[in-house]
Amino acid sequence: GENVEQHPSTLSVQEGDSAVIKCTYSDSASNYFPWYKQELGKRPQLIIDIRSNVGEKKDQRIAVTLNKTAKHFSLHITETQPEDSAVYFCAAYDTGGFKTIFGAGTRLFVKA
Amino acid sequence: DAGITQSPRHKVTETGTPVTLRCHQTENHRYMYWYRQDPGHGLRLIHYSYGVKDTDKGEVSDGYSVSRSKTEDFLLTLESATSSQTSVYFCAISESLGQGQGELFFGEGSRLTVL
Repeated sequence: GENVEQHPSTLSVQEGDSAVIKCTYSDSASNYFPWYKQELGKRPQLIIDIRSNVGEKKDQRIAVTLNKTAKHFSLHITETQPEDSAVYFCAAYDTGGFKTIFGAGTRLFVKA
Repeated sequence: DAGITQSPRHKVTETGTPVTLRCHQTENHRYMYWYRQDPGHGLRLIHYSYGVKDTDKGEVSDGYSVSRSKTEDFLLTLESATSSQTSVYFCAISESLGQGQGELFFGEGSRLTVL
């Protein structure tokens, strides 16, 4: 089955700097890669996703890139703000059976 | 927010007792999932359902069972709770978009403490 590794586990940046979170996956058949943000005490919510037929996707200050050959994908947040502080999860959709497998999460701290 | 509710939201129980968590949706989504969240492990899939009475195991299914007798309800049962099952449990729902899975919508979570 699918396995997703995520790095780093903790990331601290100054407000206005960029943040990058990287993930790798094991199953070359996976075709959908979402990113979820979880604020303290809240439920995870989708912030951006990318499908395997696309190499990059942007939405305002966030972007995701996908390298299918290397089986890795990354989340980029530019001009970080204190409200970006949260835990971010990458995930991969396991086509072998209708399920999404998550990475262990990255706790992002944005210092004002 | 998607119409998904979990109950109970908080529960404290003792080792060896049975526990059932309920997930109820009003979105008529086909897929339903139970995840557990623990520090350092992220969200780990316990069991999932791809239709009424159609369920399958996830990454960490030992000690858990599920049932889905109606589209809107997905039950997670711990037959005999252990301290290692202390966790926050999230239910999620999804509707396939053809090319692959669509967005997961999560419930608010159920915090279970096993003493």
